[in-house]
Amino acid sequence: DTEVTQTPKHLVMGMTNKKSLKCEQHMGHRAMYWYKQKAKKPPELMFVYSYEKLSINESVPSRFSPECPNSSLLNLHLHALQPEDSALYLCASSQDYGFYSYEQYFGPGTRLTVT
Amino acid sequence: AQSVTQLGSHVSVSEGALVLLRCNYSSSVPPYLFWYVQYPNQGLQLLLKYTSAATLVKGINGFEAEFKKSETSFHLTKPSAHMSDAAEYFCAVTGNAGGTSYGKLTFGQGTILTVHP
Repeated sequence: DTEVTQTPKHLVMGMTNKKSLKCEQHMGHRAMYWYKQKAKKPPELMFVYSYEKLSINESVPSRFSPECPNSSLLNLHLHALQPEDSALYLCASSQDYGFYSYEQYFGPGTRLTVT
Repeated sequence: AQSVTQLGSHVSVSEGALVLLRCNYSSSVPPYLFWYVQYPNQGLQLLLKYTSAATLVKGINGFEAEFKKSETSFHLTKPSAHMSDAAEYFCAVTGNAGGTSYGKLTFGQGTILTVHP
């Protein structure tokens, strides 16, 4: 099974709201990723967790706060977002990070709209 | 640092025709290369990957890609297009870019494939 699940599928939030995106994988992968994808653009890496520790933060604003409660779960906490943060948020996982032959498996994404 | 260039943001073919999506890479070390497909409002699905075991790589859904070091290319082909192949395709590369970035995927800008009946 190569499935990564993400909830919710769609999310509409106001600029003062707090919400969370959730990602789950049961492939035993030890690396998990958050990407942001704007329309007609490739995914942009936001965060990488390796063995439940934050390995990479691509200079993402603090209104995005990642969390990795265990090796199967990855959350993205959202607070005080801006309309320009509206995008498709993708979660991915891979067997490991840093061994660059490992392919990443992507979830279906959460379509976020900030009003 | 590595990079990927996909030639042609849009490619249009007739059903049954050859599909050719172009990807050229730049990497200072032997790269690992991937093709992903994204259907509308969905995540990315891995089509195939090159990891130096064989230069011709077969993937899912009848797609294949050939690694040509001399041309720094990794073009994606399919002999006969189906309507269901209509999607956006991304070429991506990882490689030793130094530091903690050496597992990082670098994506091309994507190619939208349209298939006409």
